[in-house]
Amino acid sequence: KNEVEQSPQNLTAQEGEFITINCSYSVGISALHWLQQHPGGGIVSLFMLSSGKKKHGRLIATINIQEKHSSLHITASHPRDSAVYICAVRRRTGTASKLTFGTGTRLQVTL
Amino acid sequence: EPEVTQTPSHQVTQMGQEVILRCVPISNHLYFYWYRQILGQKVEFLVSFYNNEISEKSEIFDDQFSVERPDGSNFTLKIRSTKLEDSAMYFCASSDGLAFFGQGTRLTVV
Repeated sequence: KNEVEQSPQNLTAQEGEFITINCSYSVGISALHWLQQHPGGGIVSLFMLSSGKKKHGRLIATINIQEKHSSLHITASHPRDSAVYICAVRRRTGTASKLTFGTGTRLQVTL
Repeated sequence: EPEVTQTPSHQVTQMGQEVILRCVPISNHLYFYWYRQILGQKVEFLVSFYNNEISEKSEIFDDQFSVERPDGSNFTLKIRSTKLEDSAMYFCASSDGLAFFGQGTRLTVV
């Protein structure tokens, strides 16, 4: 079983829709990252969370440590939001501990 | 804005050849990583590097792989004798908490 599970795997939305992507994890973590990967392959960090909620523009990320669950929301979605969104967790142990990645959610926003 | 840069962006090599993938991390970061992503699969951890030594490595990171920080700025990943299954996108990352990723090197082994 994967330590990090994301849902849905694929998501198609119309421009303007509110989008939610979910991430569940099964290990103790020190932080959870949301990342965006564009078709060219490059990865961009969106958020790093250890508790609560963060907002940046139209993106909102929340985490519930007790339930081992995080969500990424996109408000007023736009075709340029089309990308793969990846949840990754940093475990508690280790000085320079690695990220463990989910399989990603492929989002397509259409006009 | 500071960024992690990787070169080359794409490398094609023959099976059995050695390749060196290069990365320039963000200058004041202390933690460095290599990850890889085989086409259609999730990103996998290879190795982390801190204080000029490997701090953790995955099962994938066998004796064929090595990392170096030769001059205090570059961070390299060497694959000694490439195999077909080494074909993947290789990402370098550096971190001060938040992880910053390079654009990746697409390695194709033929």
